[in-house]
Amino acid sequence: NAGVTQTPKFRVLKTGQSMTLLCAQDMNHEYMYWYRQDPGMGLRLIHYSVGEGTTAKGEVPDGYNVSRLKKQNFLLGLESAAPSQTSVYFCASSYGRDSTDTQYFGPGTRLTVL
Amino acid sequence: GQQVMQIPQYQHVQEGEDFTTYCNSSTTLSNIQWYKQRPGGHPVFLIQLVKSGEVKKQKRLTFQFGEAKKNSSLHITATQTTDVGTYFCARTNAGKSTFGDGTTLTVKP
Repeated sequence: NAGVTQTPKFRVLKTGQSMTLLCAQDMNHEYMYWYRQDPGMGLRLIHYSVGEGTTAKGEVPDGYNVSRLKKQNFLLGLESAAPSQTSVYFCASSYGRDSTDTQYFGPGTRLTVL
Repeated sequence: GQQVMQIPQYQHVQEGEDFTTYCNSSTTLSNIQWYKQRPGGHPVFLIQLVKSGEVKKQKRLTFQFGEAKKNSSLHITATQTTDVGTYFCARTNAGKSTFGDGTTLTVKP
């Protein structure tokens, strides 16, 4: 099993450009998450999904959109990138059987917005 | 929001010394999870505590959940250079997790 994979690993954007980050998991997990991590800070939840076709807002959703068309994939979109969105983005997934599920993280995407 | 606060933010120790990080909440926690993130890496799950007063051990790591389920601690005995990284606690509720800001541990060999 590959676990949780993320593409791309690195990306540099100019202000106003758009892009999509792809997260894939092969563990048949129901729940998937997108976090951002800024230097010296913890992980802040952007959006999450509790199942195929469903999404919900997390702590810092503004400027981002997500889609979960297939159970194994969770896409994070930036429609018009801003320098404040420079961060490391982590995707995670969990079984979703109960509220105490552990999360499995992907390797992260380092995004720089100039 | 329902935050979890971690202290200290940074800890520098000499190899062989002990290390403790604390996680506190103003509200009762249904559970607490601990993750470790190596420099340049991604968070990796360490353990989950659910019961009041629970204590779990993993080799040199000891995890505790407070009697009131409002705080937790991670203690490392005799640190090694392989222990370096940032340790996060997290609370989960209905599929959503809230992470503390983490404690970054550096170990001098």
